[in-house]
Amino acid sequence: GAVVSQHPSWVICKSGTSVKIECRSLDFQATTMFWYRQFPKQSLMLMATSNEGSKATYEQGVEKDKFLINHASLTLSTLTVTSAHPEDSSFYICSAYRGPGTEAFFGQGTRLTVV
Amino acid sequence: AQKITQTQPGMFVQEKEAVTLDCTYDTSDQSYGLFWYKQPSSGEMIFLIYQGSYDEQNATEGRYSLNFQKARKSANLVISASQLGDSAMYFCAMRYNNNDMRFGAGTRLTVKP
Repeated sequence: GAVVSQHPSWVICKSGTSVKIECRSLDFQATTMFWYRQFPKQSLMLMATSNEGSKATYEQGVEKDKFLINHASLTLSTLTVTSAHPEDSSFYICSAYRGPGTEAFFGQGTRLTVV
Repeated sequence: AQKITQTQPGMFVQEKEAVTLDCTYDTSDQSYGLFWYKQPSSGEMIFLIYQGSYDEQNATEGRYSLNFQKARKSANLVISASQLGDSAMYFCAMRYNNNDMRFGAGTRLTVKP
């Protein structure tokens, strides 16, 4: 099956620093990727839709200047959490579709802890 | 507004028995896809089963089947012959025309030996 790889799987950073999370589709091209955030014991909440070669589309309430998304190629999308604070600590997970009518393939997720 | 509802925060089932996890949805779209994912404690999202809105037959994948009732807007997941490894969070999700996928609140399933 299609594979989406996400890196790093976990990261601890100091408050005020920035963290970059990568999401790669390993065996297919993904013109669109999705970034989700999941707080403990909660569901996945869509943060933004990453579009190759154009600006990301952010969900209401998600700060685009804080969560920078870059989709520079058909196989790579990055999410940068800028000036991270403890309240940004969460599980971040990306997904991509191989094509219409198919399931979303998810990365392994990144557990971010801001101290 | 499009919405996915899972009303069971937690469910228990005895090993080897069947269990049904509920999911209802609300949409005005004619074309949509319904998905179930399993999330163990590791956090990975494991695809279980898919049902298209135009599919006339209920989807089945091994021990998983989807009880799709379009008029009632429900897409319940049935797990037969439960195993201890089935203990996890289960999410119902819906994919809309614009390719967004939205998730329900999830149900934590615990399989008892």
